[in-house]
Amino acid sequence: DTGVSQDPRHKITKRGQNVTFRCDPISEHNRLYWYRQTLGQGPEFLTYFQNEAQLEKSRLLSDRFSAERPKGSFSTLEIQRTEQGDSAMYLCASSFTGYRRKDEQYFGPGTRLTVT
Amino acid sequence: AQSVTQLDSQVPVFEEAPVELRCNYSSSVSVYLFWYVQYPNQGLQLLLKYLSGSTLVESINGFEAEFNKSQTSFHLRKPSVHISDTAEYFCAVNTGTASKLTFGTGTRLQVTL
Repeated sequence: DTGVSQDPRHKITKRGQNVTFRCDPISEHNRLYWYRQTLGQGPEFLTYFQNEAQLEKSRLLSDRFSAERPKGSFSTLEIQRTEQGDSAMYLCASSFTGYRRKDEQYFGPGTRLTVT
Repeated sequence: AQSVTQLDSQVPVFEEAPVELRCNYSSSVSVYLFWYVQYPNQGLQLLLKYLSGSTLVESINGFEAEFNKSQTSFHLRKPSVHISDTAEYFCAVNTGTASKLTFGTGTRLQVTL
């Protein structure tokens, strides 16, 4: 296994269009996270899944954003009616959490979104 | 709620010189602490972590960090830096109950000859 992968790596879209990103976690990891990173800032948490259940969503995740992890494996993040303020790097991370094992999050390379 | 402060946005240093990147956190409960490194146009790589046990943790490439509970700090140090260490470094924290990581704003380490 080569780690967390994300697709696409770069996306340029016009304002008002919908975009969807995909994340494939490390295969044995049961948790999957989405973060957003803007220029000059640290990543900010958006949401996370344990298996297929979405357990927490940040206030940053407006109703234009939706995330799914239908079979507890890969995840998609969709942004509807994109705005210029959505331009950022979207990072996916995965981890394994179990008895006596604290999760350490491993990040993918990110998807850079530019909204024109 | 937890928070992380990285006071230095940029740290310029000459090659082979020592460096310290500062990280302070705020939390009302026990924490787990992490340092991540980000090279240009790449995702974050876990550099080292403190979960429990020894307060001094080391990475495979010569970095170390010490968890200081009384000062709520987790500073990152390296005795001799290399040009290839040039990158953005992020300190992050989470707690036993929260799963999300809270990151600092990052410190850009710029190593020059």
